[in-house]
Amino acid sequence: DAGVTQSPTHLIKTRGQHVTLRCSPISGHKSVSWYQQVLGQGPQFIFQYYEKEERGRGNFPDRFSARQFPNYSSELNVNALLLGDSALYLCASSPGTDYGYTFGSGTRLTVV
Amino acid sequence: LAKTTQPISMDSYEGQEVNITCSHNNIATNDYITWYQQFPSQGPRFIIQGYKTKVTNEVASLFIPADRKSSTLSLPRVSLSDTAVYYCLVGDSGGGADGLTFGKGTHLIIQP
Repeated sequence: DAGVTQSPTHLIKTRGQHVTLRCSPISGHKSVSWYQQVLGQGPQFIFQYYEKEERGRGNFPDRFSARQFPNYSSELNVNALLLGDSALYLCASSPGTDYGYTFGSGTRLTVV
Repeated sequence: LAKTTQPISMDSYEGQEVNITCSHNNIATNDYITWYQQFPSQGPRFIIQGYKTKVTNEVASLFIPADRKSSTLSLPRVSLSDTAVYYCLVGDSGGGADGLTFGKGTHLIIQP
């Protein structure tokens, strides 16, 4: 059974541009969360979605948005990219909000 | 205020038992203690979770004293492939609406 898959694996964008990252959860998992991991730090929570509704949001600006589709896949969108948005973006899925999460390998975003 | 405190780094040798201790003085009654392992450019991987006393699985053991203000992850007979960052988390297993809270973790380096 496939794990959590994220695309693309690597991405280079210019300041001010917009980016969309994609995540496919493990089959049967209805909850997806997004995390940002800057080099040398632990992952920081961005969003949690369950049954296509936002259930939690971390301390990130409104430039960050996400959505979950009927098939439970998810997109993370970041507008007006800043150099500081360069990070590994991780997606994690779970059967529900009270269960442990399985993480994908992430998308490495570099903003130049 | 940090929820957990753990050493920034540790060194050991192949075949040794490694114990990583985490302090969580403000743990709440309903909080679980969860450890994750992360290799470079990969997402965190769940290792073990416990509430009290001792939990053991095929990978590690988790020791939790009665006051639950600390916990120790024990890795038996480590190998070079155990070199990774290890995170101690306290809270709901799924993080709830606030997501999982990761600190900086412990960078474990295993030498031959």
